[in-house]
Amino acid sequence: NAGVTQTPKFQVLKTGQSMTLQCAQDMNHEYMSWYRQDPGMGLRLIHYSVGAGITDQGEVPNGYNVSRSTTEDFPLRLLSAAPSQTSVYFCASTKGTIAEAFFGQGTRLTVV
Amino acid sequence: DAKTTQPTSMDCAEGRAANLPCNHSTISGNEYVYWYRQIHSQGPQYIIHGLKNNETNEMASLIITEDRKSSTLILPHATLRDTAVYYCIVRARDDKIIFGKGTRLHILP
Repeated sequence: NAGVTQTPKFQVLKTGQSMTLQCAQDMNHEYMSWYRQDPGMGLRLIHYSVGAGITDQGEVPNGYNVSRSTTEDFPLRLLSAAPSQTSVYFCASTKGTIAEAFFGQGTRLTVV
Repeated sequence: DAKTTQPTSMDCAEGRAANLPCNHSTISGNEYVYWYRQIHSQGPQYIIHGLKNNETNEMASLIITEDRKSSTLILPHATLRDTAVYYCIVRARDDKIIFGKGTRLHILP
């Protein structure tokens, strides 16, 4: 099993550009989440999904869209990148309702 | 808002037990206590979780007070590789996982 795979690992965007951060898991987990982590801070929840076709907002959803058409994939879309979205983005997946979460290695995004 | 309070940072000598406290005075009866850690800039790593009883696994022990208002994560023999930020999280079944600021643990050689 590869676990949780995030691509790309690094990305530089210009203000106003759009892009999609990819997240895939091969563990058949129902729950998937996206977090952002700014320098020296804890993780903040952006969006999450409890299964294919179901998504909901987290703590900081503005400026981001998600969809969950398959169990394996949970892409995060930045519609119009802003410098305030410069951060490290982590994707996580969980099997069941109380099991532990597995995290990807992160995508480091810089918006200039 | 995070439902837990943790010290900002702690030091522990290598080879000694590291005891990390967590306050969760408003915990509900159906909420579990989870611990994760984040080493440098890697993705967080699950350590342990519990509801009422103390729990132990190959990484750590979790001691939850009888009133469940606080808990302690114990790393029995800390090594330099245990230097990390440790997050205590309270969540119910089906709940989102919300991180607080965590405790930065420094293991001193």
